[in-house]
Amino acid sequence: AQKITQTQPGMFVQEKEAVTLDCTYDTSDQSYGLFWYKQPSSGEMIFLIYQGSYDEQNATEGRYSLNFQKARKSANLVISASQLGDSAMYFCAMREALYNFNKFYFGSGTKLNVKP
Amino acid sequence: GAGVSQTPSNKVTEKGKYVELRCDPISGHTALYWYRQSLGQGPEFLIYFQGTGAADDSGLPNDRFFAVRPEGSVSTLKIQRTERGDSAVYLCASSLTSGGPKNIQYFGAGTRLSVL
Repeated sequence: AQKITQTQPGMFVQEKEAVTLDCTYDTSDQSYGLFWYKQPSSGEMIFLIYQGSYDEQNATEGRYSLNFQKARKSANLVISASQLGDSAMYFCAMREALYNFNKFYFGSGTKLNVKP
Repeated sequence: GAGVSQTPSNKVTEKGKYVELRCDPISGHTALYWYRQSLGQGPEFLIYFQGTGAADDSGLPNDRFFAVRPEGSVSTLKIQRTERGDSAVYLCASSLTSGGPKNIQYFGAGTRLSVL
């Protein structure tokens, strides 16, 4: 089974509007970490936000927030006030205690296009 | 400070040839990771180093792939007898330490390998 599922291959959003990128995960571990990375066309993966499985509050980092629903095993990324520079690939990733948190499992990504 | 540096940025080779891909991690980072990203996919874990030793090489696809990190800093991913299916972007990441769910991995821009 896929560890990370991103069901939206591509998304469009109008500049200045909010957008939600979906991510569901599969693990039997109680301790795990969830991450979102941005990959612009330059290729570098840029860390955006982290959510721990034991964190009670949803993570926020500036315009990024993570809608964490543990029972549903979802960790959706919300980008508020979209900017043209947000156009990129976005990857959801997970690390598990089972593997000593050493390897990431990535989803297949969502390509976000921000329209002016 | 400088981020993770990968060289070359692009490598074109012929089927059957040997290639080396280099990764220079962020100074002071003890953990180093290699991932492979095929077109339209998320990165897939290959190998992880803690210091000089390969702590987990479970993602290496076969014995044509090998990686070293002799002095605990720069790492080289080596691919023997390249095949067309090896064509992908090879990403390197480093982190301050290993372990722990929140340990953030910082990625380089990758080496795009094309096997003709």
